[in-house]
Amino acid sequence: GAVVSQHPSRVICKSGTSVKIECRSLDFQATTMFWYRQFPKQSLMLMATSNEGSKATYEQGVEKDKFLINHASLTLSTLTVTSAHPEDSSFYICSARDLQDEKLFFGSGTQLSVL
Amino acid sequence: DAKTTQPTSMDCAEGRAANLPCNHSTISGNEYVYWYRQIHSQGPQYIIHGLKNNETNEMASLIITEDRKSSTLILPHATLRDTAVYYCIVRPSNTGNQFYFGTGTSLTVIP
Repeated sequence: GAVVSQHPSRVICKSGTSVKIECRSLDFQATTMFWYRQFPKQSLMLMATSNEGSKATYEQGVEKDKFLINHASLTLSTLTVTSAHPEDSSFYICSARDLQDEKLFFGSGTQLSVL
Repeated sequence: DAKTTQPTSMDCAEGRAANLPCNHSTISGNEYVYWYRQIHSQGPQYIIHGLKNNETNEMASLIITEDRKSSTLILPHATLRDTAVYYCIVRPSNTGNQFYFGTGTSLTVIP
């Protein structure tokens, strides 16, 4: 199946700093990528839909200025958690869809810990 | 997207078939049934999907009822590595449509 690469896998940062997470589709082009967050023992919550060359669409309750999404190319989307605080600590997961396929492929996730 | 209902947790003996049910009584005619699983601290993994007909691949079988209001994922010979949370998702296959995850079923395969 298609491969989605997500980096870093784990990051620890101080409160107030910004953290950037990268999501790459390695062997296919993805005009649309999705970003999720997951708290312990809970399901995945969709945060936003990232569209190549245009603004991201955020789910209700997700702060646009807090979670900056950039989808500059057909194979790369980035999520920047700005001015991170301890409550932003979570597991962040990206996903991408191959236009030739009906399936959604997921990255391995990024565990963010804000001290 | 149609809502899905799954049992919170299930156990299965190693080597036996694991049958995971999913109710999606409000599914629309153009919505597919997808199954993903998530092993602890990893991204979800695609298992199988279908529209009307039963489907089978190297990982599992998907049985969809004739009225499409429910489905069952079958892992024919469960192994310890199949212990994971299994998510049933219904959505149209159109480009750009989001995947919304429900609570899923936590499957524990017992030695």
